[in-house]
Amino acid sequence: DTAVSQTPKYLVTQMGNDKSIKCEQNLGHDTMYWYKQDSKKFLKIMFSYNNKELIINETVPNRFSPKSPDKAHLNLHINSLELGDSAVYFCASSPQGYEQFFGPGTRLTVL
Amino acid sequence: KNEVEQSPQNLTAQEGEFITINCSYSVGISALHWLQQHPGGGIVSLFMLSSGKKKHGRLIATINIQEKHSSLHITASHPRDSAVYICAVSSGGGADGLTFGKGTHLIIQP
Repeated sequence: DTAVSQTPKYLVTQMGNDKSIKCEQNLGHDTMYWYKQDSKKFLKIMFSYNNKELIINETVPNRFSPKSPDKAHLNLHINSLELGDSAVYFCASSPQGYEQFFGPGTRLTVL
Repeated sequence: KNEVEQSPQNLTAQEGEFITINCSYSVGISALHWLQQHPGGGIVSLFMLSSGKKKHGRLIATINIQEKHSSLHITASHPRDSAVYICAVSSGGGADGLTFGKGTHLIIQP
C-alpha cells in the first residue's frame, strides 16, 4: 500500500499552460505539505495545510494554489506556467508536529 | 527565519568507515529531522528528534539544543548508504513545514 502517492510522476508542458498535480495520503494524517526541489536539489516549503489552516510560504507566486477536496488529498494547481517552475514537486503528510512521509515526487518540465 | 547549514557538502569514504554529517541552525526549533534522498529521488525520514540521541540500526542521530547543532553518524558504512542526507528543522509545532539544509552527498566506495 502506497502511503503518500502523487500523479503524474512526470509532467511536460508548454509555457503559459495550466496544470495540476494530485496528492493522496492513506495514513489518516491531518497535515499535508507541498515542497519544491529546484535544479540544485534544494528543497523549500511551498504550502502546509490541515483542516483548519493554510500556511503559504511568502515566496510562492500566487499562480500556485493548493486545493483540498478532503482530508486525504491536497492537489497543487499551477496557472500560467513559466520556465522557472520546472522542478520536482514533493507532497508530504504528517500528524501535526510529527515525522513527515513524502510522496515519490512529480518532475515538472516547462518548455 | 531559520538558516540550516550542513557540512560537508560532499563526502566520499570507503566501505566500513564511520561517517559523521553535521548540521547547525540559527534559531530555536521544535524538532530536527534527518532525511535520506535516494539516487532515484525518493525521500525517506530517518529521524525526528528534539533532544538527546536516537539510534536505528547503524544510524545514530544526536542533537545539542543549547549549541543548535546535530550530527548524523553511520557506523560500518556500506555502498547502499550512498545517498543525499538532508537536515531539516521545524518550528511552531511543525505546522508551517520544514526548513532544509542543502544536503550532504555521500558516496561509499566498496
